[in-house]
Amino acid sequence: GDSVTQMEGPVTLSEEAFLTINCTYTATGYPSLFWYVQYPGEGLQLLLKATKADDKGSNKGFEATYRKETTSFHLEKGSVQVSDSAVYFCALSDQGNAGKSTFGDGTTLTVKP
Amino acid sequence: DTAVSQTPKYLVTQMGNDKSIKCEQNLGHDTMYWYKQDSKKFLKIMFSYNNKELIINETVPNRFSPKSPDKAHLNLHINSLELGDSAVYFCASSQGGRAGELFFGEGSRLTVL
Repeated sequence: GDSVTQMEGPVTLSEEAFLTINCTYTATGYPSLFWYVQYPGEGLQLLLKATKADDKGSNKGFEATYRKETTSFHLEKGSVQVSDSAVYFCALSDQGNAGKSTFGDGTTLTVKP
Repeated sequence: DTAVSQTPKYLVTQMGNDKSIKCEQNLGHDTMYWYKQDSKKFLKIMFSYNNKELIINETVPNRFSPKSPDKAHLNLHINSLELGDSAVYFCASSQGGRAGELFFGEGSRLTVL
């Protein structure tokens, strides 16, 4: 079945540091890939997505590229802010699997001033 | 306007009680979901309905019963609550046939004493 493996946390960075959160996946079909962010006390919200190989999703300074050859979708940001502190979830959606989304375990990011 | 709204946001109850959580979406989506998030932030899908028809029913105790009176509403009823049911329950919606992007509610935190 489908699965998503993401970097274990927690991750603690200083403001303006570079962020990478690794994410790899296994899927039987051709999934769409997503990063969701969950701020404290809130629901998940879509951060960015990519629907086919080599697509790059970007939003709020975050980027991730759909790499089919390495089955990866790593999240990056060049300079993090305190307001980026949140839990980040990598996910895939496989339309051949009733559109079911599969989530990674989440990575908690804390950015210190 | 809140796109996906859940009530109540907080629910504290005794073991053995029965409780319900309601969810409504005003996005015009045809698919709705219930997810459970445990204390470690792990997300697990429970149910999915498409146009009021159950399409995903993961391994969940039959004490949990979803009901979808129409495609804009998906309620979750839980009988004979147990300590292990304590979690945050998220409702989500999506439009079938698209890239699988999910829109989440704010969550309902259930505490069973």
